[in-house]
Amino acid sequence: NAGVTQTPKFQVLKTGQSMTLQCAQDMNHNSMYWYRQDPGMGLRLIYYSASEGTTDKGEVPNGYNVSRLNKREFSLRLESAAPSQTSVYFCASSERGQVGTEAFFGQGTRLTVV
Amino acid sequence: EDQVTQSPEALRLQEGESSSLNCSYTVSGLRGLFWYRQDPGKGPEFLFTLYSAGEEKEKERLKATLTKKESFLHITAPKPEDSATYLCAVGKRSYIPTFGRGTSLIVHP
Repeated sequence: NAGVTQTPKFQVLKTGQSMTLQCAQDMNHNSMYWYRQDPGMGLRLIYYSASEGTTDKGEVPNGYNVSRLNKREFSLRLESAAPSQTSVYFCASSERGQVGTEAFFGQGTRLTVV
Repeated sequence: EDQVTQSPEALRLQEGESSSLNCSYTVSGLRGLFWYRQDPGKGPEFLFTLYSAGEEKEKERLKATLTKKESFLHITAPKPEDSATYLCAVGKRSYIPTFGRGTSLIVHP
């Protein structure tokens, strides 16, 4: 049972570099999410995809782009990394259309921008 | 504006000392309230979903309750392995979870 898999687990970038965080889920979920977690700030939604082919901005989308490649995969791209994007990034998925459905999370990507 | 506030921010208990964590919310059109557990260096792990006021759910030493304004996570006779950060989240449109900042629980043996 892999659940939600994120790669890489750790990454160090220089300011201005770009990278893509990968996320894949094997639960056949319709909805997928990207959150960032910072000390004292909790989990904040960056982007989400309610279903394959759709993406929407969350609370903190600036500096990020996303791609819902297919039903399984949802990637997050940093085009020009900034130190303010140093954070732990979590991908999650859930089944839509059911009342109160819970989200399942990956193990996180710890990103440092220097 | 929707808000989810958790208290206390941190809680230290002795093994066997029962207590409660609070999650208060101001959300219109609540579809569900979620509790998660997060261990250091890991992603949040789902514990409970509560749908309506008066509902209660239990799992081992944990019991979650819900009113129209807040939810409580009661921990009965905690053990050191219950040490973690407990996150509360509310779901409204499209059930997208909006999270509180969490309560860090440490249980001393």
